[in-house]
Amino acid sequence: EPEVTQTPSHQVTQMGQEVILRCVPISNHLYFYWYRQILGQKVEFLVSFYNNEISEKSEIFDDQFSVERPDGSNFTLKIRSTKLEDSAMYFCASTGTPGEAFFGQGTRLTVV
Amino acid sequence: LAKTTQPISMDSYEGQEVNITCSHNNIATNDYITWYQQFPSQGPRFIIQGYKTKVTNEVASLFIPADRKSSTLSLPRVSLSDTAVYYCLVGDIRGSTLGRLYFGRGTQLTVWP
Repeated sequence: EPEVTQTPSHQVTQMGQEVILRCVPISNHLYFYWYRQILGQKVEFLVSFYNNEISEKSEIFDDQFSVERPDGSNFTLKIRSTKLEDSAMYFCASTGTPGEAFFGQGTRLTVV
Repeated sequence: LAKTTQPISMDSYEGQEVNITCSHNNIATNDYITWYQQFPSQGPRFIIQGYKTKVTNEVASLFIPADRKSSTLSLPRVSLSDTAVYYCLVGDIRGSTLGRLYFGRGTQLTVWP
């Protein structure tokens, strides 16, 4: 079965540092997303990306966040200056069929 | 956006059929119903999606009554590995919010030996 892969699986960073989370979506999918889940809380939508541009973003996705598709396979989420409250699991997802999203295993980000 | 209500938790034993019901009283005409499963420290996994009546795949069945104000996810003969959180999502997957998924608290299903 095709899968979405994310790296790294766990990232520890100091407050104020920049982090880049990487994702390789399923190859024939056109829609890409980032979600996050703070420990014990809901899965929250951050941003959707289609045709090399952001199609929608949530209120969480402020100026500290950015996404990029630097080449034909990777999809990245950058947090410019991390805060303690950015600590969470970050999930990348992609879709081919509407509503049927494939999620990666996630990157656990810990900001200290 | 249709609000969904589902039980916070359910318990079952191995080999039993489990039915998780989701209420979505203000579902809109263009809304689809989608269920996801999530294991601890993993991303959600798509289970099944439907619009009306009954949908079945190799994993589960989804029952949607004519008024579409509720839906029931049916898991046949559960095993310990089905212990997970199950989310019911309702939305216009083909509209301008294509792909944006709204996850609630979900239902924690615990399967006992």
